[in-house]
Amino acid sequence: GDSVTQMEGPVTLSEEACLTINCTYTATGYPSLFWYVQYPGEGLQLLLKATKADDKGSNKGFEATYRKETTSFHLEKGSVQVSDSAVYFCALSDKRSNQFYFGTGTSLTVIP
Amino acid sequence: GAGVSQSPSNKVTEKGKDVELRCDPISGHTALYWYRQSLGQGLEFLIYFQGNSAPDKSGLPSDRFSAERTGGSVSTLTIQRTQQEDSAVYLCASSLMGTGGLYEQYFGPGTRLTVT
Repeated sequence: GDSVTQMEGPVTLSEEACLTINCTYTATGYPSLFWYVQYPGEGLQLLLKATKADDKGSNKGFEATYRKETTSFHLEKGSVQVSDSAVYFCALSDKRSNQFYFGTGTSLTVIP
Repeated sequence: GAGVSQSPSNKVTEKGKDVELRCDPISGHTALYWYRQSLGQGLEFLIYFQGNSAPDKSGLPSDRFSAERTGGSVSTLTIQRTQQEDSAVYLCASSLMGTGGLYEQYFGPGTRLTVT
């Protein structure tokens, strides 16, 4: 069945460091891919998405490219800020069933 | 416009009691999902409603858990005879039912359930 595997945390970075959170997926079809973010004490909110191969999603300085050949959707940011401290979830949606599958989340802490 | 709302925001109950958690999805969203998030864990899928189709109950952990969705809108998740391991944050999300998975989910703030 469909599934998502993402890099385990926690991840601690200094401000202005580069960030990569790895995410790979298994899907029988051609899913849509998402990154959600959960800030401390808040609910999940969509960060970015890509609906087909080679699409790049971007938001708030974060980017992720849908790589069909490597079944990956890694989240990247060139210069993190303290305000980026949160838990990040990779997810896919099965276009046939509308079902969503989430990774286990990666906790990021950015220190000044 | 209004987002997904959930009530109550916090619920403390004694072991063995029944609880009901409510979710009001975004108007016009025909897909509704329930998840459970335990401390420090990822999201555990519980149940999924889409339009008038039979719900996907494959994630419900036991027969103590049930959910219904009335009139294609509000949903209630019921946990009977609560156990301490049911303590978690219960999240509701809604989505447009479009051409298959193209639309993101919008999450509510969650209900934090504590079973004592």
